[in-house]
Amino acid sequence: SQQGEEDPQALSIQEGENATMNCSYKTSINNLQWYRQNSGRGLVHLILIRSNEREKHSGRLRVTLDTSKKSSSLLITASRAADTASYFCATVWGDMRFGAGTRLTVKP
Amino acid sequence: DGGITQSPKYLFRKEGQNVTLSCEQNLNHDAMYWYRQDPGQGLRLIYYSQIVNDFQKGDIAEGYSVSREKKESFPLTVTSAQKNPTAFYLCASSPLTGDTEAFFGQGTRLTVV
Repeated sequence: SQQGEEDPQALSIQEGENATMNCSYKTSINNLQWYRQNSGRGLVHLILIRSNEREKHSGRLRVTLDTSKKSSSLLITASRAADTASYFCATVWGDMRFGAGTRLTVKP
Repeated sequence: DGGITQSPKYLFRKEGQNVTLSCEQNLNHDAMYWYRQDPGQGLRLIYYSQIVNDFQKGDIAEGYSVSREKKESFPLTVTSAQKNPTAFYLCASSPLTGDTEAFFGQGTRLTVV
């Protein structure tokens, strides 16, 4: 079964708004990563947060990790139409497993 | 130019045939992975390998086989035992530590005709 589960499954917002996606997982992790996928393409790495970290920033991205609740969130601030894509969390513990993803649509 | 390459981009297979998807990387990564993605779905782990001549089954290994004879290459064979092989297949690689990002190929879309 998939390790991570993203919530919501789909999200539609206006340009300039913030987008928040959540990820829950079931087992231990070494780190948790977020990836982006444009339709029909490979995945592109966005940000990695280690199990002993609680928050990380990269440009307009902010990731939090709560290992006690086995959950993570990805915040994209000041969204742009070009942010439209699917976003996946991946948990790493020996192997790397993905959730079902959140499909984000940013309307111009 | 370093990267991970999957070929072909599109593949058509007749029912009952085996087919092999190629994945090559020149990033000197130890770990390599194969995932299956169905329309609108997430990625499911088929097989992964952390070292040459060794690989582990993922969640949906039935009907698939792999080999890891070289560090750079991790081909995936979709056998006739896989009942519903039509899907998008993604290969990835990462350093063995797992503490850095993974790199993905552009995928192979397999269609059974």
